[in-house]
Amino acid sequence: LAKTTQPISMDSYEGQEVNITCSHNNIATNDYITWYQQFPSQGPRFIIQGYKTKVTNEVASLFIPADRKSSTLSLPRVSLSDTAVYYCLVGDGGGYGGSQGNLIFGKGTKLSVKP
Amino acid sequence: DGGITQSPKYLFRKEGQNVTLSCEQNLNHDAMYWYRQDPGQGLRLIYYSQIVNDFQKGDIAEGYSVSREKKESFPLTVTSAQKNPTAFYLCAGFSYNEQFFGPGTRLTVL
Repeated sequence: LAKTTQPISMDSYEGQEVNITCSHNNIATNDYITWYQQFPSQGPRFIIQGYKTKVTNEVASLFIPADRKSSTLSLPRVSLSDTAVYYCLVGDGGGYGGSQGNLIFGKGTKLSVKP
Repeated sequence: DGGITQSPKYLFRKEGQNVTLSCEQNLNHDAMYWYRQDPGQGLRLIYYSQIVNDFQKGDIAEGYSVSREKKESFPLTVTSAQKNPTAFYLCAGFSYNEQFFGPGTRLTVL
């Protein structure tokens, strides 16, 4: 199972771009990289997912280098409401449309956005 | 409205009692999961089920039990054998490489 390593916490100010990097040295060939956001006392919420290169959606971008041993979540122009814990996950096989039997959530990165 | 439903949001039990947490979904997920989260910690996998009538232990299954008699339902029982059951419990479904989480149940054992 591929484990991930993220910084425990990060601080930022409103309007700045935030980049959170995750290491996953043992990622398998068919694993996807997924990021979730969690607010206190709520379930995590899907942010973005990728396999390689760059993925962008309406809330974030995900950068994955060619060796796929790390990934970087980029949040443009953060606001106070982006204060949350961000989790990087690497799937335990399964692939697109399959069932990932054992997704590992680490402690995540606690992002604090200040005014 | 729909998705993953967990009830109740808050649950209190006396030590030594078994308690069952409900998880229902109307998203047609084959795979469902139960996680436990302690304050300031990440999520730890208790049990998961990839199909009806089948389930697998996660990393911290001791003191817990599950059933999957219907695709829509995946209840979790916290037994008296669980040494420290007070925690936030999250149920999730899985489809197309994305997990969908319920709102969670906060269990407090007095």
